[in-house]
Amino acid sequence: EIVMTQSPATLSVSSGERATLSCRASQSVTSNLAWYQQKFGQAPRLLIYGASTGATGVPARFSGSGSGTEFTLTISSLQSEDFAVYYCQQYNNWPFTFGGGTRVEIK
Amino acid sequence: EVQLLESGGGLVQPGGSLRLSCAASGFTFSIYGMSWVRQAPGTGLQWVSAISGGDSTYYADSVKGRFTISRDTSKNTVHLQMNSLRVEDTAVYYCAKIGGGWFVSNWGQGTLVTVSS
Repeated sequence: EIVMTQSPATLSVSSGERATLSCRASQSVTSNLAWYQQKFGQAPRLLIYGASTGATGVPARFSGSGSGTEFTLTISSLQSEDFAVYYCQQYNNWPFTFGGGTRVEIK
Repeated sequence: EVQLLESGGGLVQPGGSLRLSCAASGFTFSIYGMSWVRQAPGTGLQWVSAISGGDSTYYADSVKGRFTISRDTSKNTVHLQMNSLRVEDTAVYYCAKIGGGWFVSNWGQGTLVTVSS
């Protein structure tokens, strides 16, 4: 099973600042990597797939990069509605696995 | 608009069974993979089971032999039959529509399964 490790576990950021979230895979997943946002009490929402392709309706301030084992989700200028938990997920090999999440909180 | 509506969750004793259903609309159901992803209280996400458009099925090791995923294309519905339930199966179960690869493009609102005596 491919283990996905996200860091940091919690990220404290002020509104308007840049946030950088990391995701590492225990073996190569090529570009088969997705990012999701989950707000409290809600279902997750797809942000990025294919490591860098934005999902429909996702604001341009969200961007993804990386390939192989190292990936990054960047939020260029945090808005109040962006404070949430973010998960990465590999879909290169079954079982598809999620990282443990990064909580982005208000500083 | 894609809609996924889960039903069938509830409280069950250890060793019991439940059948989750997900009614899908707003897309051509037969050609897309569908999945169930769960989230135990206060924890992260776990992929439980998946079924491809060609009806190939996949299971997490933790549920293999106990859970069965199926789909009824005549009713645009996907099911998860859960037998021999354990306390550790307690979670919100999300129905998920698969995108172009095995990522979740759309999520249901979730249904809570509680396994407790």
